[in-house]
Amino acid sequence: QMQLVQSGAEVKKTGSSVKVSCKASGYTFTYRYLHWVRQAPGQALEWMGWITPFNGNTNYAQKFQDRVTITRDRSMSTAYMELSSLRSEDTAMYYCASGTAVAGTDYWGQGTLVTVSS
Amino acid sequence: EIVLTQSPGTLSLSPGERATLSCRASQSVSSSYLAWYQQKPGQAPRLLIYGASSRATGIPDRFSGSGSGTDFTLTISRLEPEDFAVYYCQQYGSSLVRITFGQGTRLEIK
Repeated sequence: QMQLVQSGAEVKKTGSSVKVSCKASGYTFTYRYLHWVRQAPGQALEWMGWITPFNGNTNYAQKFQDRVTITRDRSMSTAYMELSSLRSEDTAMYYCASGTAVAGTDYWGQGTLVTVSS
Repeated sequence: EIVLTQSPGTLSLSPGERATLSCRASQSVSSSYLAWYQQKPGQAPRLLIYGASSRATGIPDRFSGSGSGTDFTLTISRLEPEDFAVYYCQQYGSSLVRITFGQGTRLEIK
């Protein structure tokens, strides 16, 4: 069955970067968009961006445009989200999610907690 | 960017009752690109509805979506104990540019 498995929790210093991975299995990695969504404690979901694993095209939310980079390794069926210049407000659960252009995002990773402190 | 406003913020109902959740967009959203998600504490979101009214795989038929333009609704016909959770609407556009979520509606047991 389709599955997305994310890397483990991270604790980072203010100003540093974090890179979270998301390994896909159970489907053809290149056939679906791979999104990144975050959720600060007690807050709503916030879309960050996506990548098309087939050709590596990306699209980022304006809020994160200058700080986020989403990449993929087709040979490993793995996507990555790197967020730089971390601040305390970036403390959140980060999810990867797979979907299509029409039918929403129907498979989600388990989430990776990123904690940022000084 | 399209802003989605969900109401009410919190809805208190009893099992067996009907729940009606609203999602209003700041500008017109193509019905093909409006989704609803359910999220329980400590879990990832689960897709319920896409294309405004199509149920995702495995979603019970007590969940239904409707609406067009700027006003969309998620209806749960008869609440089961497992339905008490937070619900989010999402618009994702024809080219998946500038995807946004609503702020969520918390459905709690009365």
